[in-house]
Amino acid sequence: GENVEQHPSTLSVQEGDSAVIKCTYSDSASNYFPWYKQELGKGPQLIIDIRSNVGEKKDQRIAVTLNKTAKHFSLHITETQPEDSAVYFCAASKRVGGYQKVTFGTGTKLQVIP
Amino acid sequence: NAGVTQTPKFQVLKTGQSMTLQCAQDMNHNSMYWYRQDPGMGLRLIYYSASEGTTDKGEVPNGYNVSRLNKREFSLRLESAAPSQTSVYFCASSEAPWSGNTIYFGEGSWLTVV
Repeated sequence: GENVEQHPSTLSVQEGDSAVIKCTYSDSASNYFPWYKQELGKGPQLIIDIRSNVGEKKDQRIAVTLNKTAKHFSLHITETQPEDSAVYFCAASKRVGGYQKVTFGTGTKLQVIP
Repeated sequence: NAGVTQTPKFQVLKTGQSMTLQCAQDMNHNSMYWYRQDPGMGLRLIYYSASEGTTDKGEVPNGYNVSRLNKREFSLRLESAAPSQTSVYFCASSEAPWSGNTIYFGEGSWLTVV
C-alpha cells in the first residue's frame, strides 16, 4: 500500500524566514496531494493542494511543488508569522474502488519564533 | 455554517464500556469518514461512508462499528472499549468520495480508555 514519509518532524524558524517541509510517497497511482494545517485542539484544515498533472501551485505565502518522477512533494511557507505555528500534514490520495484513499504523513510541528 | 460537528469533545471510558461518537455535517456532502489520530502515526481511516446508505471498512476497523443515519449524520460506536482505542477521533466529510475532493474535518473527540 501507499507509504508517505514526512520530514522534518519538528521545525523551528525565526519570524520572517522561510519554512520547507518535504514528503515522499511510494504509490505512483496517487494523483492528489493535499496539505493540512492543524492548530492545537483543532481538526486538520486544508491549506493547499496539488494534482498530479501540475508541478507547482502557489497561494500567497504558501507554495507546493510536486516531482512525480521522484515521488517528492514539498510545502514552502515564506515570510513566516507566529500564526503559522501549527502541525502540518502532507497526504497522498488516489481512488480505490468507491472511495478516496488518503494516506497521511506523520506531521511536522512548525514553531515560528517571534 | 458549522461544517462538521462531533460530540463529545472529551470522554473517559473504563475498559469494556461502550459508547457512541456522534457526527453531523451541514454541507450537504455525500461522503463521510471516521479517522483516528495517534502520536507519530498521522491520521488513519477507521470507516467511511461513500454515500448515504453505504458504509465500508478503512485501514483500522477492528473494534468499531458505524452507522450512516442519514445524509447528515455518521456515528462511530465502540462496543467494548480497550486501552488501545485511546486516541483522538476525527469525523470528516467530502462532497464526493473521489480523489481530489477536499476533506473537511471536525474538531476532534479525545477519548481515553482506562
